[in-house]
Amino acid sequence: QVQLQESGPGLVKPSETLSLTCAVSGDSISGYYWSWFRQPPGKGLEWIGWIYYSGSTNYNPSLRGRVTISVDTSKSQFSLRLSAVTAADTAVYYCARRDNSGYYFSWGQGTQVTVSS
Amino acid sequence: DIQLTQSPSFLSASVGDRVTITCRASQDIRSYLAWYQQKPGKAPNLLIYAASTLQSGVPSRFSGSGSGTEFALTISSLQPEDFATYYCQQLNSYPLTFGGGTKVEIK
Repeated sequence: QVQLQESGPGLVKPSETLSLTCAVSGDSISGYYWSWFRQPPGKGLEWIGWIYYSGSTNYNPSLRGRVTISVDTSKSQFSLRLSAVTAADTAVYYCARRDNSGYYFSWGQGTQVTVSS
Repeated sequence: DIQLTQSPSFLSASVGDRVTITCRASQDIRSYLAWYQQKPGKAPNLLIYAASTLQSGVPSRFSGSGSGTEFALTISSLQPEDFATYYCQQLNSYPLTFGGGTKVEIK
């Protein structure tokens, strides 16, 4: 079955850009939608956006143009960039695959990102 | 954005209890609702999708019901491994949104 693994810096300074990568293994990256979610400490879940393997994207308007999701099919991975971060962006970030049914059956284990100087 | 209101936000129950968590949507989401279980330090785990379809491998004591704006997750006989936080998620329209969560603790 598909496996997803997030990676990236655990600490980012305020006003800088957060960059994370999700490596996909066990199945092809083609034919699916790939998403990012996040969860601030002690709080609920927030959808950040998705990218289709072909490159089309859909983002949460709450992130006001700060987010970019990209895909590299040759490396079987997709990435998240979130610019101008503040302490409010401190969270565990999860990548996930949207199944053909439209639901999220497969998730990465999550990676903690802290925004602090 | 579609708001999802879960209740209760906290639930104290005993092993063997029947437990019901409700999720109310601010507008009609048809049956595009999922339920997740999340344990501390772990990713959400999909339990129910399309409001009432049990994910493969999930024990049959879990069930989902509802459509439109009112939904429920029921655990027929609470087991020790069920103590966790539960979230509903709507997938009817963007942005995707989640309920605030229900933490189920041991009485």
